[in-house]
Amino acid sequence: GAVVSQHPSWVICKSGTSVKIECRSLDFQATTMFWYRQFPKQSLMLMATSNEGSKATYEQGVEKDKFLINHASLTLSTLTVTSAHPEDSSFYICSARREREQYFGPGTRLTVT
Amino acid sequence: QQQVKQSPQSLIVQKGGISIINCAYENTAFDYFPWYQQFPGKGPALLIAIRPDVSEKKEGRFTISFNKSAKQFSLHIMDSQPGDSATYFCAASRVNQFYFGTGTSLTVIP
Repeated sequence: GAVVSQHPSWVICKSGTSVKIECRSLDFQATTMFWYRQFPKQSLMLMATSNEGSKATYEQGVEKDKFLINHASLTLSTLTVTSAHPEDSSFYICSARREREQYFGPGTRLTVT
Repeated sequence: QQQVKQSPQSLIVQKGGISIINCAYENTAFDYFPWYQQFPGKGPALLIAIRPDVSEKKEGRFTISFNKSAKQFSLHIMDSQPGDSATYFCAASRVNQFYFGTGTSLTVIP
């Protein structure tokens, strides 16, 4: 149990376009989901905490107008990178909280050309 | 301020040996301490976790040792195998907040 999926697993887009990443908890309901960004050989950097039915809480330094997060249901949260630029290229990972633990998705590799 | 300090940054161990990764924290309000294993290009996966009222927890070849007074905890991997080669992250949590260590890249040599 406690499976989290992400889609797509990788995406290449042109600079200036928007990209949406989906995060789903497949076998449990999650009132809280987290979005992370990870650079090569570095730790996880929390971008925002998403609660179902309310606005996401963004970490300091994360542009909420650029990284739009929607947690429309207890099993789905989406991250939209708007007007993507090459510096947004990264590995994006979501997680869903169940009880005391958070379970991670497999990640999405975003490359902006 | 780094809430959780993790060491070493990288570790090379012979097959069959013991891998030890250490973490330290400052905030005594943390009440949950998980360890995650991450393979390249994949998301982290929960390996084992402990609460501060327990000094040790063992699951198969993986053991967490917890020292509440020293505010330190460590992961021991017994009989390390090449398949254990991955990056390991410790974390400390309270309520809805998780703070991650900087990660340890483990390489197990056959």
